[in-house]
Amino acid sequence: DTGVSQDPRHKITKRGQNVTFRCDPISEHNRLYWYRQTLGQGPEFLTYFQNEAQLEKSRLLSDRFSAERPKGSFSTLEIQRTEQGDSAMYLCASSSQGYEQFFGPGTRLTVL
Amino acid sequence: KNEVEQSPQNLTAQEGEFITINCSYSVGISALHWLQQHPGGGIVSLFMLSSGKKKHGRLIATINIQEKHSSLHITASHPRDSAVYICAVLGSGGGADGLTFGKGTHLIIQP
Repeated sequence: DTGVSQDPRHKITKRGQNVTFRCDPISEHNRLYWYRQTLGQGPEFLTYFQNEAQLEKSRLLSDRFSAERPKGSFSTLEIQRTEQGDSAMYLCASSSQGYEQFFGPGTRLTVL
Repeated sequence: KNEVEQSPQNLTAQEGEFITINCSYSVGISALHWLQQHPGGGIVSLFMLSSGKKKHGRLIATINIQEKHSSLHITASHPRDSAVYICAVLGSGGGADGLTFGKGTHLIIQP
């Protein structure tokens, strides 16, 4: 399967712990997006990479959040000192410039 | 910041009915996506369009750029079409600010 993959699919953690999620985009896509979706809501934009450069960050991305795409391929999203309000589905999407975005299955985070 | 409104929020219909879901947005865009999300599942892209009309099987999407409005139609609806349908727009800034999503339309097709 050559679609977008995310790991893990589910993560349960205790408040205050750090978590890291990984996204592997479609190999030829140079654009990568992270979104967050809370229950009953549409997704919200978090951040965007073009190749290895992080070009845009939402105000939703507090200083506890950091994202990287070190070689312009896979990306990681880390949340430090998790809070219960961080519980959500974290979605990754990739695209080629000017083309539609393809979404991964998401990582569901539950903070206890 | 673009505002994306979808209607209806919830729709229950009988198998075979013609379904229409509407999406309006407030600011000019470069493209509009229609997405499908099953419960607990990931998001599947159905269409990306910037003008006119696209058709794929029983699904039809139209967009009117001047009126800032798009519709998704499902012909001969089937219970397997039950899902959340989400409209999302890509700003005219080249995609750097990601998609702005509507809240989704929860569709249930009863047999």
